[in-house]
Order: sequence, then structure tokens, then C-alpha cells
Amino acid sequence: SQQGEEDPQALSIQEGENATMNCSYKTSINNLQWYRQNSGRGLVHLILIRSNEREKHSGRLRVTLDTSKKSSSLLITASRAADTASYFCATDAGAAGNKLTFGGGTRVLVKP
Amino acid sequence: DAGITQSPRYKITETGRQVTLMCHQTWSHSYMFWYRQDLGHGLRLIYYSAAADITDKGEVPDGYVVSRSKTENFPLTLESATRSQTSVYFCASSQQGARSEKLFFGSGTQLSVL
Repeated sequence: SQQGEEDPQALSIQEGENATMNCSYKTSINNLQWYRQNSGRGLVHLILIRSNEREKHSGRLRVTLDTSKKSSSLLITASRAADTASYFCATDAGAAGNKLTFGGGTRVLVKP
Repeated sequence: DAGITQSPRYKITETGRQVTLMCHQTWSHSYMFWYRQDLGHGLRLIYYSAAADITDKGEVPDGYVVSRSKTENFPLTLESATRSQTSVYFCASSQQGARSEKLFFGSGTQLSVL
């Protein structure tokens, strides 16, 4: 079963709007990571947030982490057409191994 | 600086045939991973390796074999391909593993088993 589950599964917004997607996970983690995947391409790392951090920023990206609720959110501000992609959260396995488990992803369409 | 490369980019094979997907990284990263991506399932871990000659099963290892004789290479073999193994396969690497840092992904191999 997947450790992380993203919500919503798909999101359609206009250019300039903000996009928010959420991720829930099941077990304790050391860190949570967000990746982007453009159609037909490999995954590209966006942000890593550690379990003792609550918020992290990178350019137009803002990630929050609530370990008490086992959830995270990714906010993309002032979206652009180039942000059209699938976004995945991934969690390490805590004590169970040095590997990443991915959620099913959120497909984001930014309309010009 | 080639990074992490996968070959072939596309592969069509028949059920029952043996297929090997290649993964090569130029960073001398200790950790390497194989994932498969199917619609509705996201990415699922097949096998991973912490160092040369050290491999471990992931979530969906059945029907696959891996080896890691050299740090830079991590081939994935489908011993007898089945239609359910039609998927996109991604290789990834990192120096310290997922507990502390990000993974670098290859461009993927799209495999079709007829």
C-alpha cells in the first residue's frame, strides 16, 4: 500500500492563480519530499522537509508539514503554464529502510 | 556530466522473454533504486541497493532480479516477462539514501510486453 496519498488527484487552474495540493501518510518519517514530473519525463526534486520542520519555501513553492496529522501541503503561487505537471509527495520509510515511498500524484493543469 | 542514464528508452518484448533494463550513474552514489510507474499506482519501489553487492526488496519485487557488481551500474532483469510488467521503469540514485536527501531520477524506460 502507498505511504503517501495526494489530494486532489487532479487540479485545473488559470495562470496566475495559486495551486494547493495535499499529502497524507501513514507512518513516522524522517523527511517528506515533493517531486514534479512533466509528461513523459523523469521526476525532478522540488523540496525536502524534515520531520522537525513545519514550513519551507523555495521560490514560488511553499511546503508545510504537520507530523501530528501526518500530512503535508504544497502550494504553488502565481502559477504559470510551465507548472503544468504531475506532483508527487514521497516519504522515507523511517526505521524501515532508507528508501522513498511515493503517493499517486496530483495532476495539475495551468491554463494560459 | 551525464548524471543518471537509462537504456533503452523504449522496449517492446514478448511474454516469456528475458529483458534487462540498464541504469548507469556517474556520481558514484551509494544508493540506487528501481521504480515502476503505472496509471493509478504512482511509483512503486521494485528493488534498491545501498552499495555494491548489497540489494534489498521493495514493494513489488516478484518477477524481477537485480545485481550491483559495480557502484555505477544497477541493471534490472525481468526473467520471464509478463504483460503485467508493461510499465514505465525509473532508476534513481542518491549518495546517502532517502532518509536524508533527495533522489536523482533517470528519464525512464517504457516497456511493453506483448
